[in-house]
Amino acid sequence: QLQLQESGPGLVKPSETLSLPCTVSGGSISSSSYYWGWIRQPPGKGLEWIGSIYYSGSTYYNPSLKSRVTISVDTSKNQFSLKLTSVTAADTAVYFCARHSQWLVEDYFDYWGQGTLVTVSS
Amino acid sequence: SSELTQDPAVSVALGQTVRITCQGDSLRSYYASWYQQKPGQAPVLVIYGKNNRPSGIPDRFSGSSSGNTASLTITGAQAEDEADYYCNSRGSSGNHLVVFGGGTKLTVL
Repeated sequence: QLQLQESGPGLVKPSETLSLPCTVSGGSISSSSYYWGWIRQPPGKGLEWIGSIYYSGSTYYNPSLKSRVTISVDTSKNQFSLKLTSVTAADTAVYFCARHSQWLVEDYFDYWGQGTLVTVSS
Repeated sequence: SSELTQDPAVSVALGQTVRITCQGDSLRSYYASWYQQKPGQAPVLVIYGKNNRPSGIPDRFSGSSSGNTASLTITGAQAEDEADYYCNSRGSSGNHLVVFGGGTKLTVL
């Protein structure tokens, strides 16, 4: 059974960089069939796609966050990571990593991590 | 504002049928996927593609689409179906970009 697990600091100071790795177990991140994505959810609000990465390193980002986001992959660790720079209180959210299936006319996220709450505060 | 629009809240009597909708221009070209999220938990995929259910999802969940509107139907709603439901699809510009709807809170009465 595929499992994803986010990790990282729960508290980040304003203007600093949020960094979160997601470790994949029970399957290879190098599978040619899937992307790997990050989604966030501010407290009491809806889901927002941040971006996705293919094992080869190709990335796609939400245009609203593109200038501050970097998603990278480390196939040797079976891990992919999110970096979000210049954070503000508006970036406080639960951050989820997920497996992203993208086909010709459909996109879906079929395996999710449990999510990790990141609070931006001094 | 989201490219995909959902009603904020819907209610259904126990055992009855409910339809949750998702509207957006991209749905004319791409299928919607649907997720169930209960408080404090990660979303769970319930419908993807034309009308596919992942393993373990009850067959009372089904999906359909017409024009710019995708629908998730729960036939014979159960108390445990009370949750937030989100749709997602490719963005209207295509190009691998993804969008989510704002979510619908389903209450089972």
